[in-house]
Amino acid sequence: QKEVEQDPGPLSVPEGAIVSLNCTYSNSAFQYFMWYRQYSRKGPELLMYTYSSGNKEDGRFTAQVDKSSKYISLFIRDSQPSDSATYLCAMKPGGYNKLIFGAGTRLAVHP
Amino acid sequence: EAGVAQSPRYKIIEKRQSVAFWCNPISGHATLYWYQQILGQGPKLLIQFQNNGVVDDSQLPKDRFSAERLKGVDSTLKIQPAKLEDSAVYLCASSLLAVGTDTQYFGPGTRLTVL
Repeated sequence: QKEVEQDPGPLSVPEGAIVSLNCTYSNSAFQYFMWYRQYSRKGPELLMYTYSSGNKEDGRFTAQVDKSSKYISLFIRDSQPSDSATYLCAMKPGGYNKLIFGAGTRLAVHP
Repeated sequence: EAGVAQSPRYKIIEKRQSVAFWCNPISGHATLYWYQQILGQGPKLLIQFQNNGVVDDSQLPKDRFSAERLKGVDSTLKIQPAKLEDSAVYLCASSLLAVGTDTQYFGPGTRLTVL
């Protein structure tokens, strides 16, 4: 069993839709949770970072962590064609910076 | 602030040949990472440096891969000899520290194709 599971998609939605991206994990030692966005032929860039259960908002993006269920989500409101990318969840234990990534979900937002 | 620089951006070699990748991290970042990202997968950490010392190389195939970070700044990753399964994007990242909430910043990657 992989430490981090993420549905690879692809996910295709119309512009303006609400997008939900999810990851599950098995290692209860994970304390820090991140979402990275990766455009084609680019390196990943950090979108959201959280280390507690609950919700964190940043503009159109909301990150949600449920440690009891070992489940994290990223919601994108009012999705735009510029949001078309691969979204990677990543997590790490406390006190150490080794990131464990999910496989990434490809998202396409069409006008 | 300049980002993480990598070169070359693309490389095509035949199996059993050798190849080297170069990374220049963000100025002042003590920690440098090399990741391998196979098509359709997330990045996998190969090696992590803190200044010029190795912190974690547990997933580095040491029979063919080597990496160094001279003077705690630039780094090179070498593969010798390359295998078909080494075809991937090699990402370099850097961060200010190595623990806690510190953020890793990624370069654009080097896309390696082994024929």
